[in-house]
Amino acid sequence: AQSVSQHNHHVILSEAASLELGCNYSYGGTVNLFWYVQYPGQHLQLLLKYFSGDPLVKGIKGFEAEFIKSKFSFNLRKPSVQWSDTAEYFCAVAYSGAGSYQLTFGKGTKLSVIP
Amino acid sequence: DADVTQTPRNRITKTGKRIMLECSQTKGHDRMYWYRQDPGLGLRLIYYSFDVKDINKGEISDGYSVSRQAQAKFSLSLESAIPNQTALYFCATSDLSGHTQYFGPGTRLTVL
Repeated sequence: AQSVSQHNHHVILSEAASLELGCNYSYGGTVNLFWYVQYPGQHLQLLLKYFSGDPLVKGIKGFEAEFIKSKFSFNLRKPSVQWSDTAEYFCAVAYSGAGSYQLTFGKGTKLSVIP
Repeated sequence: DADVTQTPRNRITKTGKRIMLECSQTKGHDRMYWYRQDPGLGLRLIYYSFDVKDINKGEISDGYSVSRQAQAKFSLSLESAIPNQTALYFCATSDLSGHTQYFGPGTRLTVL
């Protein structure tokens, strides 16, 4: 079965620090890749997505992610975090087998930003 | 995001009770999904529907059933709730391409 791994369960950073959250997936075929964010008490919102083309994807709120096919990775980055970035971040992969586009989520990484 | 709504938002029930969670969407999407979220486990797919006549089991469908009453409505039922079904439940929709899923606000269910 396909799987998605997020390396860090909880990351604590000070404001202005740089962020990188790891995400690896197990499937060798065609994939669509996503990062979702869940702010405290809220539903999941799409941060960014990769379907094809430039492997460096820019999303909302200054986030970006890089797809490295050879490493099966889609790491999320932000050069300078803010307190308002405190949230849980989920990597998700859609495997296009049989055209189903089901999303498989990682277990999430909780980010705490200290003012 | 009012495009996808879920009712109720919170529910406390007792073991053995039947519970229905409802999801409605105004996005005009054909595809709808039900997930549960547990701390440290991320989101896991319970059921999904590609249209009114197409219902499919997801990763963890045991103990759950669904009904797609219309394109815009997708309900999740727990026929006999048990405590380990205590979780946050999310409904989501996507268009035919399935490229991006849009989530509702969630229903927090507690089974005592």
